[in-house]
Amino acid sequence: DAMVIQNPRYQVTQFGKPVTLSCSQTLNHNVMYWYQQKSSQAPKLLFHYYDKDFNNEADTPDNFQSRRPNTSFCFLDIRSPGLGDAAMYLCATSRETSSNQPQHFGDGTRLSIL
Amino acid sequence: AQSVTQLGSHVSVSEGALVLLRCNYSSSVPPYLFWYVQYPNQGLQLLLKYTTGATLVKGINGFEAEFKKSETSFHLTKPSAHMSDAAEYFCAVSEGSNYQLIWGAGTKLIIKP
Repeated sequence: DAMVIQNPRYQVTQFGKPVTLSCSQTLNHNVMYWYQQKSSQAPKLLFHYYDKDFNNEADTPDNFQSRRPNTSFCFLDIRSPGLGDAAMYLCATSRETSSNQPQHFGDGTRLSIL
Repeated sequence: AQSVTQLGSHVSVSEGALVLLRCNYSSSVPPYLFWYVQYPNQGLQLLLKYTTGATLVKGINGFEAEFKKSETSFHLTKPSAHMSDAAEYFCAVSEGSNYQLIWGAGTKLIIKP
């Protein structure tokens, strides 16, 4: 089945130690999104790629970076994680940037900061 | 400006009872509306969507929703709740050229045996 796969499902890192989360998709979608979701809250969009074009949300901290080396893969890099960055990180894809296109989500990576 | 309001952060129903999760939106142009479900420690799964056409939309797992423009609502219903329906449900809207989803705060559905 075509899908969005996130690895790892659970990630523990130390305060200030860089961490990378990965996402891959077999849907061949043009758009890939990264969301941060804290407990009992809605997902918050961090940034997205349309193909190789990067679009950053205005309030996304500089501590968060992303890379999309090819259509299938996208990475979220947190350069110096703080305690407030502990959250579920969700990757999603959509075929196009049309507002009628649903987004397809992976199962997320739950990040803990020690 | 777009916004989405989900009435009730928690909704509790008995197994076999009607499920009704409320979603109201504000939009200056015809919206596209989505319901997603999130089970514990999982990502979001699309339940159903309204883009154009029939205002009563059927989704997966026996859920359906009706777009009511006059009431700016897109409430989610299921005739008979199952224990497996226990999850968090998010309503989201996008419109026009703004393809980014605006999310409601979510409603946690609790099923009582």
